[in-house]
Formats: sequence, C-alpha cells, structure tokens
Amino acid sequence: DVKVTQSSRYLVKRTGEKVFLECVQDMDHENMFWYRQDPGLGLRLIYFSYDVKMKEKGDIPEGYSVSREKKERFSLILESASTNQTSMYLCASSVTGQGNQPQHFGDGTRLSIL
Amino acid sequence: AQRVTQPEKLLSVFKGAPVELKCNYSYSGSPELFWYVQYSRQRLQLLLRHISRESIKGFTADLNKGETSFHLKKPFAQEEDSAMYYCALKGGSNYKLTFGKGTLLTVNP
Repeated sequence: DVKVTQSSRYLVKRTGEKVFLECVQDMDHENMFWYRQDPGLGLRLIYFSYDVKMKEKGDIPEGYSVSREKKERFSLILESASTNQTSMYLCASSVTGQGNQPQHFGDGTRLSIL
Repeated sequence: AQRVTQPEKLLSVFKGAPVELKCNYSYSGSPELFWYVQYSRQRLQLLLRHISRESIKGFTADLNKGETSFHLKKPFAQEEDSAMYYCALKGGSNYKLTFGKGTLLTVNP
C-alpha cells in the first residue's frame, strides 16, 4: 500500500518566518504534488514535480517554493509566512504511466500562521 | 483551460434514500475523471475512476461526454457515506489534477 507521510499534522508559526513542510513517499513514484485545502475553495495546486530536481508551478505558487533533491522527498517552503497562508496542506504522489494513475495523499499538515 | 464544477456545497439526505453528487467539467480534449472522498479525520482517498467503470461502496459514476458530466450516484445512502466528495479531472498527458470545490454529504439517520 502506498504511504505518503507528511512530517507534521499541526504546525504553528509566526508571520515572517521561513516554514518548511516535508513529504516522503515510499513507492518510488515519479510525481509529487503540494496542494492547499480551504473550505469552499477545494484543493488548489501549489507546485508539482515530475522528477528529481524538476518542478512546475501550479495554480497558486505565489509565496511558495519547493525542493526535490531525492525522488522520495518533496518539500514545500514558505519563504516568509503570512497569515493568509494559514491552511491545510496536502502532499500527494503518483506514478507515471498509461491510464488513470491516481494520486495518493498524505494526512495533511494544518498550518497556522500567527 | 480545464475546470471542474460541483454545484452543491452541501447535500443532505436520509439513510436509505438515493443520492447524486453532481460534477460538470470543461475540457476540450478527452478527459480522465475521478471521484475522491475524505471521511472525517481521514486522508483524501480515491473512490473511483471513470475508466474502470467500477462500483465502489455502492457508488457508480458514468462519464457523459455530451453533457460533460460525471455525476456520482448511490441508490441507497448509508450513514457512513457522510464525507466530503471531490470530483477531479486530468487532461491529456499533464499529470495535474484539477479538483472541484467539493460537496459535503450528510446522511441523516
């Protein structure tokens, strides 16, 4: 069974801090994704990566960056946290291949910026 | 551009009643469509995908290209079906999923 692990379930940080959210998957998946989930807005893609050191912007990349130095790990970085980045952050991974390859999600990190 | 619309934020039914969660999409090519579900305090997980034409937990969804819809249906709702449901679309070779805003289903006893 695919395991996507996010390092923290809950995180509280202060405005202006640099924040790191970590995600690890154990199934050798090529693709990894970061979303934020907000009530009434659904899931919005922040960044994704289809290979080591490769990244592409999603729909709402402003204020975020990512790092993928190893295949199993995908980090989301809030360069200077702001209160409007308080949200639930979801990491996901998927395999590259033919057909409908689903994304597998982690438990999420609920981030509060004070 | 691809877009997914779930017109109902909230849907409430009684146990044993039929339920239909609506999903409409906008995409110029041939889409791949999914339904994801998130039960209370659990991770988001795949419920079903259109290409499999499967029934999972009594739910089915048929892709209607003419109406650009992928509605999720179950003939007899159960209390354990209460959850947030998201419809998602993957277009072409792009790995991205575009999600709808979700429908919160409540099944009352």
